[in-house]
Amino acid sequence: DAKTTQPPSMDCAEGRAANLPCNHSTISGNEYVYWYRQIHSQGPQYIIHGLKNNETNEMASLIITEDRKSSTLILPHATLRDTAVYYCIVRVNFGNEKLTFGTGTRLTIIP
Amino acid sequence: GAVVSQHPSWVICKSGTSVKIECRSLDFQATTMFWYRQFPKQSLMLMATSNEGSKATYEQGVEKDKFLINHASLTLSTLTVTSAHPEDSSFYICSAGYTDTQYFGPGTRLTVL
Repeated sequence: DAKTTQPPSMDCAEGRAANLPCNHSTISGNEYVYWYRQIHSQGPQYIIHGLKNNETNEMASLIITEDRKSSTLILPHATLRDTAVYYCIVRVNFGNEKLTFGTGTRLTIIP
Repeated sequence: GAVVSQHPSWVICKSGTSVKIECRSLDFQATTMFWYRQFPKQSLMLMATSNEGSKATYEQGVEKDKFLINHASLTLSTLTVTSAHPEDSSFYICSAGYTDTQYFGPGTRLTVL
């Protein structure tokens, strides 16, 4: 079973910041928070991951609360191409560890 | 870096035939690859873990004799759907681990008539 809870859907205006929440209240000390997204009929795309510090890369920022029970993925300037299902996954930081996908958040960017 | 490819991207076959799907890590070696299946409007479900040089590990409820997995090299894993039936029609996706992250292939759409 997925160890995360995400809202099923969200809308965001094009050009605005999209903030996607994720709850992971049972996260273990050695588990990281990973974010992937899946554009329709494509394989999932890795976005970002983190342990406890906030992380930023060219795609997004990840904000993890101090107690690590929740996090927020931020797409700073959403475009229509960001319309996708976004998955928040917790797992140990090891490439060969399997991923368990929940239902994710369907983000729709509105023109 | 960390590119995973799949072939074919889509396939249509008749009921009772077998279909092979290839998953390749193009710019890295992968001792472990994963196979997922996704039905319309559903999330990805892990089918099996493919280990180079050894037998695959299947998730509960996945028939190992129907979904044959071979991981003969560090860059190639294959999934063969044997005696395919219409209920096997789905989107099959592979992934491979690189450093601390998994990277996914583009997926293969299988339609069984």
